[in-house]
Amino acid sequence: DVKVTQSSRYLVKRTGEKVFLECVQDMDHENMFWYRQDPGLGLRLIYFSYDVKMKEKGDIPEGYSVSREKKERFSLILESASTNQTSMYLCASSLPGLAGQETQYFGPGTRLLVL
Amino acid sequence: AQSVTQLDSQVPVFEEAPVELRCNYSSSVSVYLFWYVQYPNQGLQLLLKYLSGSTLVESINGFEAEFNKSQTSFHLRKPSVHISDTAEYFCAVSPLGNTGKLIFGQGTTLQVKP
Repeated sequence: DVKVTQSSRYLVKRTGEKVFLECVQDMDHENMFWYRQDPGLGLRLIYFSYDVKMKEKGDIPEGYSVSREKKERFSLILESASTNQTSMYLCASSLPGLAGQETQYFGPGTRLLVL
Repeated sequence: AQSVTQLDSQVPVFEEAPVELRCNYSSSVSVYLFWYVQYPNQGLQLLLKYLSGSTLVESINGFEAEFNKSQTSFHLRKPSVHISDTAEYFCAVSPLGNTGKLIFGQGTTLQVKP
């Protein structure tokens, strides 16, 4: 079974703090993704990575950065947390196949509250 | 650009009743279509997907979805729901040739009542 784990299920931070969200997958997947999930908005892509040290912006990258130093680990960084970044953050991974057909495997999510 | 619209934010239904969750998409290119499900306190998992061939696709737990190209729809149906189907359901598209990016709808919460 594919397993995607996220370092925390719940996190409370203060405005201005630097926040690290960690994601690890154990299936040697090249592709990894970070989404945020908000009620009524569905999932929106923040950043994705197709390989180690490679990253591309998604639809809402402002206020976020990412790091992928090892294939199995993809980190999301909030440089200076703000209250509008309070959300559920979901990490996913996939194995490249015929472009666009891949199934994404999701972690359980990190619910972040910024006070 | 692509977009996905799920027409109902919440669908309450009684156990053993049929259900349809609606999904429409907009795209200038051909797309692959997906339904993901999120059970309470869990991440998303794939329910079913349409890639090519028969426009009717089925999942292992009794759900089915039909791709309708003329109406740009991919509605999800189940003839008889169970309490355990209570979850949030997300429709998503991926453009052909795109390297794995998904565009999600807003989600529909299915609430199955006893």
